[in-house]
Amino acid sequence: QSALTQPPSASGSPGQSVTISCTGASSDIGGYDYVSWYQQHPGKAPKLMIYEVNKRPSGVPDRFSGSKSGNTASLTVSGLQAEDEADYYCSSYAGSNSFGVFGTGTKVTVL
Amino acid sequence: EVQLVQSGAEVKKPGESLKISCKYSGDSFTGYWIGWVRQMPGKGLESMGIIYPGDSDTRYSPSLQGQVTISVDNSITTAYLQWGSLRASDTAVYYCATGDSYGQFDYWGQGTLVTVSS
Repeated sequence: QSALTQPPSASGSPGQSVTISCTGASSDIGGYDYVSWYQQHPGKAPKLMIYEVNKRPSGVPDRFSGSKSGNTASLTVSGLQAEDEADYYCSSYAGSNSFGVFGTGTKVTVL
Repeated sequence: EVQLVQSGAEVKKPGESLKISCKYSGDSFTGYWIGWVRQMPGKGLESMGIIYPGDSDTRYSPSLQGQVTISVDNSITTAYLQWGSLRASDTAVYYCATGDSYGQFDYWGQGTLVTVSS
């Protein structure tokens, strides 16, 4: 299972939107609707932001949205706020005899 | 609400054994999968394996198969990650998390730092 590919960094000014891509293959992202996204602040545990491609857990602002097209999933953060500055990781199910494979991670900077 | 509390930081020498824990509180310990995720210094997240306390069904990452053992003790709602012989490359923060069999984790522990150094 190879890690999913994410851009190392992304940035935007407060109030703007930023979109992070997560590229996999037909054996993971392209084959299943079990893509999740996690936010991790320095020294903290990851936090689930999106599951099943586009569902938000209770308490996650609707500024966070997810989508998928083919073998690529995306996370969009609208109306960027200072507290959105963090590392973001995608994850996808990769079939039976596995569970989830994470992406390489993207550091989001709020300018 | 679900809470996961992990055991404290460990400093070990290469070749030593280690077992770290993840105490679950909340409803239905046996109804969710528990996973272990590794984060090496300055690096990303890596799934290690998951276990279903209801029947102890356990799945490991192919790259880590045989290097670690994941187990649970339902009587004290605790999951474990253990090594028989540590290596310096096992130095990392290890997180436990609850979720489903698709690797979607909704609740996370605070992490356990394991340092392996001679």
